Amino acid sequence: QVQLQESGPGLVKPSETLSLTCTVSGGSINSYYWSWIRQPAGKGLEWIGRIHSTGNTAYTPSLESRLTMSVDTSKKQFSLKLTSVTAADTAVYYCVRDGTYDSSGYYRFYFDYWGHGTLVTVSS
Amino acid sequence: DIQMTQSPSSLSASVGDRVTITCRASQSINRFLHWYQQKPGKTPKLLIYGASSLQSGVPSRFSGSGSGTDFTLTISSLQPEDFVTYYCQQSYSTPWTFGQGTKVEIK
Repeated sequence: QVQLQESGPGLVKPSETLSLTCTVSGGSINSYYWSWIRQPAGKGLEWIGRIHSTGNTAYTPSLESRLTMSVDTSKKQFSLKLTSVTAADTAVYYCVRDGTYDSSGYYRFYFDYWGHGTLVTVSS
Repeated sequence: DIQMTQSPSSLSASVGDRVTITCRASQSINRFLHWYQQKPGKTPKLLIYGASSLQSGVPSRFSGSGSGTDFTLTISSLQPEDFVTYYCQQSYSTPWTFGQGTKVEIK
């Protein structure tokens, strides 16, 4: 059973950088895509971006200028850095596995495994 | 970006009712549409992928249909644990986008 665990500071000051890491266990990180999703309190889900185990990335346009994702397959971890944060970046951040291979070997994108989520508050 | 619009935003129903939630995409997304359930304070859970495929372990009272721009999630007989929030999500093109959510409440 694939398990994901987010880690990182729960409090970040405005204008500083939010950094989170997700550790994958119970399955391989290789050959899969991994995403970050966030959810402000009482609001809906927002996809932030994804990274493949090879390092290929795709980001949501509204955050792209502040966002960097990276992967370390030897540690089975992938990471998120969001610079110049404001209160609007306060949310629960989830790391998720972004898809899997179907019975024909095609990769299908959907979020099948989720971390428990970590609350990041931006405040001075 | 592809906009996903769910309707209704909330609904009231009773245990045993049949409920349908609709999700509309701003352009055709083939069948790259997925449904998630989120209980309060919990992580979202995948229910349906590829518009109509039931994720392993999900009760058969949940079903999905549709293609192109219009999709539905149906719960055939609401159970007490189903009174939570549901989201649709497209994976036709990045950025992946979600509907705003539908909250199912007890009447």
